[in-house]
Amino acid sequence: SQKIEQNSEALNIQEGKTATLTCNYTNYSPAYLQWYRQDPGRGPVFLLLIRENEKEKRKERLKVTFDTTLKQSLFHITASQPADSATYLCALDRAAAGNKLTFGGGTRVLVKP
Amino acid sequence: NAGVTQTPKFQVLKTGQSMTLQCAQDMNHNSMYWYRQDPGMGLRLIYYSASEGTTDKGEVPNGYNVSRLNKREFSLRLESAAPSQTSVYFCASSEATGGRWETQYFGPGTRLLVL
Repeated sequence: SQKIEQNSEALNIQEGKTATLTCNYTNYSPAYLQWYRQDPGRGPVFLLLIRENEKEKRKERLKVTFDTTLKQSLFHITASQPADSATYLCALDRAAAGNKLTFGGGTRVLVKP
Repeated sequence: NAGVTQTPKFQVLKTGQSMTLQCAQDMNHNSMYWYRQDPGMGLRLIYYSASEGTTDKGEVPNGYNVSRLNKREFSLRLESAAPSQTSVYFCASSEATGGRWETQYFGPGTRLLVL
């Protein structure tokens, strides 16, 4: 069956360091992968999208990589700040499924000052 | 723009009661979605509407019905609530102009507790 896995354990990191989150998938051939941020009690907010033919995408302090051979995406937050504390979700499209996304369970990040 | 709005924010139901969750978007988006989010399960798609006048089942549609009232509004109905439907429900929308690379915009969620 199709599966998306994100580390369910919270990632505790010191302010200023780089946080690296992993999204692994099986039995998918996604055309693109998205990352969302979710704060407690709120809906997810889109951060970045990377297409299957792109290796890397950056936006300010965020960087996403996409390795379709390893079936993995890495999400990096450089120079992390306490305001980056949130849960980060990856989402993939499903082949021939139009605009529907399938989400991973998310990884909680806690940046300590 | 308000984006995606949902009502109510919080609801407590008894088993067997019915209710409708309301969702509206003011971004002129074609597609709308209903998800539920449970601890450790991520977001799971309940129903979606690719365009006005169409609806389709998602991953977990049992126990729910939907109505795409117009382009702006997409409601989710629980006909006979069960404790297993205790969850946080999110509505989302996307432009869906035909390309597959669509980002979704989410509402603030409705927290539902079924006793």
